[in-house]
Amino acid sequence: AQSVTQLDSQVPVFEEAPVELRCNYSSSVSVYLFWYVQYPNQGLQLLLKYLSGSTLVKGINGFEAEFNKSQTSFHLRKPSVHISDTAEYFCAVSDWIKAAGNKLTFGGGTRVLVKP
Amino acid sequence: EPEVTQTPSHQVTQMGQEVILRCVPISNHLYFYWYRQILGQKVEFLVSFYNNEISEKSEIFDDQFSVERPDGSNFTLKIRSTKLEDSAMYFCASNRASEKLFFGSGTQLSVL
Repeated sequence: AQSVTQLDSQVPVFEEAPVELRCNYSSSVSVYLFWYVQYPNQGLQLLLKYLSGSTLVKGINGFEAEFNKSQTSFHLRKPSVHISDTAEYFCAVSDWIKAAGNKLTFGGGTRVLVKP
Repeated sequence: EPEVTQTPSHQVTQMGQEVILRCVPISNHLYFYWYRQILGQKVEFLVSFYNNEISEKSEIFDDQFSVERPDGSNFTLKIRSTKLEDSAMYFCASNRASEKLFFGSGTQLSVL
């Protein structure tokens, strides 16, 4: 079984400032890692994913995340946020043995509020 | 980009009533899923469906729940006799194997 912990439930940040959203996971097997974003009144949209290879993953909208196996972390970063980045962000894992993207285990989400 | 569509966006029902939540997955996708998010809690996996049968289900998905793909385009979640604790946002998702999940915008179910 896997679990995902997002340490911050809310992160207020000023426009053009950097932001980091923390995600830690635990699993008895190798996992794939994902970050999803949910804008108000919309579904979940994939920001980026780590399947294998380079531990630094770049996603859409200027976001990137770094997989750290020893710390079982997959923190999400953006060097300069915009008002439009106000949303809820979810870290998720899926079982490597089964398949990437199938049956996700989600963290509790981090609500990012970008202030002007 | 293609979308997963869910209807209705909001559903209000009385406790004990049956509800059917509807989803139209992306047309060439083969795997279908339901997730739910109770207010203030994590998004939770309910069930996955492939080749006209359930491939995996969680402990939440008990006998009160069922899924169906009645035709070539719809994927439904039925709750037979709703309870207060079934109130949640229900998300449908689909994908082709080992590719990213595409989520719908959800149906907010309120059980009174």
